[in-house]
Amino acid sequence: SQQGEEDPQALSIQEGENATMNCSYKTSINNLQWYRQNSGRGLVHLILIRSNEREKHSGRLRVTLDTSKKSSSLLITASRAADTASYFCATVPNSGNTPLVFGKGTRLSVIA
Amino acid sequence: DSGVTQTPKHLITATGQRVTLRCSPRSGDLSVYWYQQSLDQGLQFLIQYYNGEERAKGNILERFSAQQFPDLHSELNLSSLELGDSALYFCASSEDGNEQFFGPGTRLTVL
Repeated sequence: SQQGEEDPQALSIQEGENATMNCSYKTSINNLQWYRQNSGRGLVHLILIRSNEREKHSGRLRVTLDTSKKSSSLLITASRAADTASYFCATVPNSGNTPLVFGKGTRLSVIA
Repeated sequence: DSGVTQTPKHLITATGQRVTLRCSPRSGDLSVYWYQQSLDQGLQFLIQYYNGEERAKGNILERFSAQQFPDLHSELNLSSLELGDSALYFCASSEDGNEQFFGPGTRLTVL
């Protein structure tokens, strides 16, 4: 079963706007990662945030992690049409033998 | 290009058949992971190998099996195929067990 739950399931914005996606998870984690998937293609790793970190930046991406609420958010600033994709959060649990547990993803559409 | 290759890209077969999917990890990566992605189940972890040994097992059916060879490439064998096995199958590799690099996937259609 999925550990992560992304919210919203789908998001449609205009080019230049910011996009925020949220992820909630259930068990304690070692780290949380965000991946991007263009339609029908392989996933691409975007960013990793460890359980002792609260915020991380990479280019136009900003990720926050709140372990007390078991939640994370991914912010994409100044979005572009090329950002259109599905975005998945994935957690590395502290226990159990599943290396990465993926959510069902947020489908982002950026309209030019 | 992630450096992970998967063959074939597409596979169409009939129920009851057996297929083999192949994956070559990035150079130097010892870990290989297999995932199944379907519309209703999302991305499901199947199995992980590390340097030829099974390391972790997820939601892999008994009809499915995998192995990793000495050259580190991996194969996923799916047998007694059912309509519900139609999905995208991804292989990923990792050096440190954190960031995973995904291949382009094999789209399996069972008719």
